[in-house]
Amino acid sequence: EVQLVESGGGLVQPGRSLKLSCAASGFTFSNYYMAWVRQAPKKGLEWVATISTSGSRTYYPDSVKGRFTISRDNAKSSLYLQMNSLKSEDTATYYCARDGYNYWGQGVMVTVSS
Amino acid sequence: DIQLTQSPSTLPASLGERVTISCRASQSISNSLNWYQQKPDGTVKRLIYSTSTLESGVPSRFSGSGSGTDYSLSISSLESEDFAMYYCLQYATYPHTFGAGTKLELK
Repeated sequence: EVQLVESGGGLVQPGRSLKLSCAASGFTFSNYYMAWVRQAPKKGLEWVATISTSGSRTYYPDSVKGRFTISRDNAKSSLYLQMNSLKSEDTATYYCARDGYNYWGQGVMVTVSS
Repeated sequence: DIQLTQSPSTLPASLGERVTISCRASQSISNSLNWYQQKPDGTVKRLIYSTSTLESGVPSRFSGSGSGTDYSLSISSLESEDFAMYYCLQYATYPHTFGAGTKLELK
């Protein structure tokens, strides 16, 4: 059974950093692109980042480019999202998803507030 | 960037009714479109991928169609568990983009 479990969320002040993790199991992690998707409170879904199988290629929307970094550790079957220079508009539930967006985690909440 | 215009934003419907949700792309996305259901607890489930392929385990009352810039999700006979949020997603090009969502609610 495919499982994706996010962790690392919480309350953080504007301008500070936070790193999210996603532990994957039930499939060969190194064979799949992985992604992060977020959802601000009462809002829709927004794609945040994608990483290739080896980690050599990454993709971001303009809203987070230069501030967020997606990475992975295939030996640990883990996906990460380093979030720097956080803004109030980054407040959201963050989901990790497998390539094709067919499997999603349960999400982790990030609140950016002073 | 490719914009997805999803409509309607809210869809009141009754049990047993047939409903259709539309998703229009700002340029051709060559059938690179998925449909998702999100429940109030936040759980996201893929229903349809590549425009019209039904995800394993998803009831056959769900169907997808479309081409070019116009796509739709239909539910043939609504059941109580179908009342939820629905989103389309295009993955033809980066940035991948979602529609704004449709809230399917009980009339």
